[in-house]
Amino acid sequence: DADVTQTPRNRITKTGKRIMLECSQTKGHDRMYWYRQDPGLGLQLIYYSFDVKDINKGEISDGYSVSRQAQAKFSLSLESAIPNQTALYFCATSAGLAGPTDTQYFGPGTRLTVL
Amino acid sequence: AQSVTQLGSHVSVSEGALVLLRCNYSSSVPPYLFWYVQYPNQGLQLLLKYTSAATLVKGINGFEAEFKKSETSFHLTKPSAHMSDAAEYFCAVTLNTGGFKTIFGAGTRLFVKA
Repeated sequence: DADVTQTPRNRITKTGKRIMLECSQTKGHDRMYWYRQDPGLGLQLIYYSFDVKDINKGEISDGYSVSRQAQAKFSLSLESAIPNQTALYFCATSAGLAGPTDTQYFGPGTRLTVL
Repeated sequence: AQSVTQLGSHVSVSEGALVLLRCNYSSSVPPYLFWYVQYPNQGLQLLLKYTSAATLVKGINGFEAEFKKSETSFHLTKPSAHMSDAAEYFCAVTLNTGGFKTIFGAGTRLFVKA
């Protein structure tokens, strides 16, 4: 079984709808991240959490919110989806033990389309 | 501020040829640099990382990268390309902002021709 799982893998929704993307991990890591990938832009950090009680905004948090329900679960919500939020979304985890050289472990991604 | 620039959004090589993917960083302090690979329909996975222990870093699948401070570069190479190397490659730098956030480059897609 995969260490970092994301559900759903694909989602098509309409403008204005609320949508939640979920991430679960079995690696026992404290740190979790949500990224957005757009062609030609690489990955941009939306939110990150260093433990259950610590949540921080990333570069592009506007229009998004997150919830860290447990060490293993980190959800990303779009309160009112808009077409320019169409993208590939990745969840990632890291142990937080190696400081700046921490390796991140990525889920398979969720492809979201907002019509 | 720290950032990373990948030169060339697409690189095409023949099978068996040298692979060279370029990455330059800007940093006011010693950087921590990574290369990640993304195969089709998968998440990113670590290829290698520079931790200041050695300037030549060897990674998985025959890839290596050399940290050159004078050139502010961390280019990724592989002597002989294989069809299975076709993927997107991301250079990344970690920012020391108290939480060690990672900034990713825009990515370089590698095509391998038979």
